[in-house]
Amino acid sequence: DIQMTQSPSTLSASVGDRVTITCRASQSISTWLAWYQQKPGKAPNLLIYKASSLESGVPSRFSGSGSGTEFTLTISGLQPDDFATYYCQQYKSYSSFGQGTKLEIK
Amino acid sequence: QVQLQQWGAGLLKPSETLSLTCAVYGGSFSAYYWSWIRQPPGKGLEWIGEIDHSGITNYNPSLKSRVTISVDTSKNQFSLKLRSVTAADTAVYYCASRSPGTGRVFTYWGQGTLVTVSS
Repeated sequence: DIQMTQSPSTLSASVGDRVTITCRASQSISTWLAWYQQKPGKAPNLLIYKASSLESGVPSRFSGSGSGTEFTLTISGLQPDDFATYYCQQYKSYSSFGQGTKLEIK
Repeated sequence: QVQLQQWGAGLLKPSETLSLTCAVYGGSFSAYYWSWIRQPPGKGLEWIGEIDHSGITNYNPSLKSRVTISVDTSKNQFSLKLRSVTAADTAVYYCASRSPGTGRVFTYWGQGTLVTVSS
């Protein structure tokens, strides 16, 4: 099975900052990667699919890049609503998720 | 706009069978694949498996021996059964949907059901 590893586990930032979260796959997944945002007590919300395609309705400050085994999610100009936990997900073989990155207010 | 509403027993004893159902409102039931995903408290997400409207299933190999996902097209519902539960199965369980052409990317989610396994 394909293991997904995110870093960092926790990230402290301020409103207006630009932040990057990294996700690594244990084997090549081409661009079969998605990113989700999850807030406490809520279901995840799809942000990015196919590594870099923005889901409809998601603000353009979110962007994704990468292919093969290394991927990044970048949020440019953090807004108060962006403080949440972010998960990457591979869907090349079945599906598996990273352990999450909690984005906290500094 | 697809909406998913789920329900089921929230407290089980070890060795019992977990049973959850998800009802689909809006959209075309036959146009999507229907999945179950779980999240242990404070931990990450785990895909359990999926079914399409015709009953074709795919399961996570790590859970396949204990899982059955079924569909009732007359009610636009699908269900999860997980046999022989242990404390390790304690989690919030979500139903979710994906479009056939996008891969296992989950666009619609249920509200989640906390299932606790305790003696």
